[in-house]
Amino acid sequence: GAGVSQSPSNKVTEKGKDVELRCDPISGHTALYWYRQSLGQGLEFLIYFQGNSAPDKSGLPSDRFSAERTGGSVSTLTIQRTQQEDSAVYLCASSPGTSSEAFFGQGTRLTVV
Amino acid sequence: DQQVKQNSPSLSVQEGRISILNCDYTNSMFDYFLWYKKYPAEGPTFLISISSIKDKNEDGRFTVFLNKSAKHLSLHIVPSQPGDSAVYFCAAKVRFPGRRALTFGSGTRLQVQP
Repeated sequence: GAGVSQSPSNKVTEKGKDVELRCDPISGHTALYWYRQSLGQGLEFLIYFQGNSAPDKSGLPSDRFSAERTGGSVSTLTIQRTQQEDSAVYLCASSPGTSSEAFFGQGTRLTVV
Repeated sequence: DQQVKQNSPSLSVQEGRISILNCDYTNSMFDYFLWYKKYPAEGPTFLISISSIKDKNEDGRFTVFLNKSAKHLSLHIVPSQPGDSAVYFCAAKVRFPGRRALTFGSGTRLQVQP
């Protein structure tokens, strides 16, 4: 596709369940970012992948959060034992390199009930 | 520690007038700054950027000004249009050395009244 694609667009899960969010970046983009936006808040950095380098995980809020990027393309963000405070819109973005602007997907709205 | 701050959560202007959105930052290592626009239920879209070696960048109705000594940047929209109504995020990054993510502000909701 032409842009960053995220799936699912909406996810409702019960507290304590695990969820996986998927991101398909723009083809050829070497950098991939995950952010989240809680209700009424700004964009909170979660994790950053750049090429084959070790990811910058400094934004992950707890060890329940993890992400991987397979083959330098698709990324999956996994949240284990979800809590109500995990409810947010999770945004993925990609960019061609370290010095370029990032292009965002439409986000996955996660609701933990 | 919020490294990028947008102190005005909202702004309302009349159509045709100038909109000025402000952003302050604390990290002197930031060398690249961006503005994004976000409509409800959509991801943010890139609007305009500026490198720290410049103090102004213009693209049509949008101009970004950078004051490094004050660690302040602003986005001017002239003339404002109702379609500009959205949430605007300021972002910054350290480009060199590389491998740094964008740091975002909390956003300013702009409403342009017809």
